[in-house]
Amino acid sequence: EIVLTQSPGTLSLSPGDRATLSCRASQSVSAAYLAWYQQRPGQAPRLLIYASSTRATGIPDRFSGSGSGTDFTLTISRLEPEDFAVYYCQQYVNSRTFGQGTRLEIK
Amino acid sequence: QVQLQESGPGLVKPSQTLSLTCTVSGDSITSGGFYWTWIRQYPGKGLEWIGYIYHTGITHYNPSLTSRVTMSVDTSKNEFSLKVTSVTAADTAVYYCARDRRTWGLDVWGQGTTVIVSS
Repeated sequence: EIVLTQSPGTLSLSPGDRATLSCRASQSVSAAYLAWYQQRPGQAPRLLIYASSTRATGIPDRFSGSGSGTDFTLTISRLEPEDFAVYYCQQYVNSRTFGQGTRLEIK
Repeated sequence: QVQLQESGPGLVKPSQTLSLTCTVSGDSITSGGFYWTWIRQYPGKGLEWIGYIYHTGITHYNPSLTSRVTMSVDTSKNEFSLKVTSVTAADTAVYYCARDRRTWGLDVWGQGTTVIVSS
């Protein structure tokens, strides 16, 4: 099983800041098979990025993804109030697994 | 616009079987080659992928759950289902159904349904 480890566990930032979230895989993951999701309180997760860097339909361009091999990054260029949520990465090259999540909170 | 809706009992007794159904609306469950997926989220915790089913009945389960999980699909009703046997309190979670678009990720999710395992 591919284990995904996200860091940091919690990120405290202010609106307008830049956020950088990390996802590290226990073995190499093709960039084509890595996704990011956002989950706001009381809501289902929402697909943000698939194939490591492609934004899903309707996702603002302040969200971007990058990475390859075992290291992937989600960047939010300028935080809006609605961006404070929990973010998960997911691999789907070998079965499917999720990272444990990064909580993005208002500083 | 495709929508998914989970349904089923919110309370299940220990050792019994948890049964949930996901109804797909807005498109046929047989179109597009999607994997129809179940995911759960423990209270205050992260996400656990349970498995998926293709409309032909082909399944793929999380290895940690495979002995207790069964998924099925009813194309005539445009729905798919999840059964988890011998449940314990550790199966208490919010259960989501979702559409797995293969290399395009899980692009449609249901709102989730809470299942509590308790006597």
